[in-house]
Amino acid sequence: DTGVSQNPRHKITKRGQNVTFRCDPISEHNRLYWYRQTLGQGPEFLTYFQNEAQLEKSRLLSDRFSAERPKGSFSTLEIQRTEQGDSAMYLCASSDPGGDQPQHFGDGTRLSIL
Amino acid sequence: DAKTTQPNSMESNEEEPVHLPCNHSTISGTDYIHWYRQLPSQGPEYVIHGLTSNVNNRMASLAIAEDRKSSTLILHRATLRDAAVYYCILNFGNEKLTFGTGTRLTIIP
Repeated sequence: DTGVSQNPRHKITKRGQNVTFRCDPISEHNRLYWYRQTLGQGPEFLTYFQNEAQLEKSRLLSDRFSAERPKGSFSTLEIQRTEQGDSAMYLCASSDPGGDQPQHFGDGTRLSIL
Repeated sequence: DAKTTQPNSMESNEEEPVHLPCNHSTISGTDYIHWYRQLPSQGPEYVIHGLTSNVNNRMASLAIAEDRKSSTLILHRATLRDAAVYYCILNFGNEKLTFGTGTRLTIIP
């Protein structure tokens, strides 16, 4: 199965530490998205790339967050100086461009801040 | 972003059809209607989408009202594996998806 792959699946860290997540999209997809989901809520958009260009960032993406997709393939999401409120599931999705194209999601990275 | 309204929860008996409603009265002419579902501890899964005409695939059917202000996701024969949160989302240009809180579907054995 060549679906969207996210690593690690779980991350536990102490407040103030930096963390980095990786997303490997479906290989032929040029769009890649990051979302965040807290308990009982639907996913919230963070940012998206078309190839290596970051085209939109949500206001949820504070200065402590940075996302990259250097070669237009995999992407990383880094959170610096983590806070309790960063505890969430971080989801990655990929798609072809076009309003009729579905987004394919990975199973996420669950971040817990101690 | 155009908004959608869904019931918070629904129940259905196993092996019965399920009709999940969604209202989107402010939909624009270029918005596609997408449905995703999310099983526990998994990422959302694409179910089906449409623009104006009703659509069928191996997972479900999508019935779209003539004025496009509402739609219904139809699971023809519910199984326990269909228990999930179902999200109805309007999407133009395949940019960000705006999820609401969805409908939590419980299947009764």
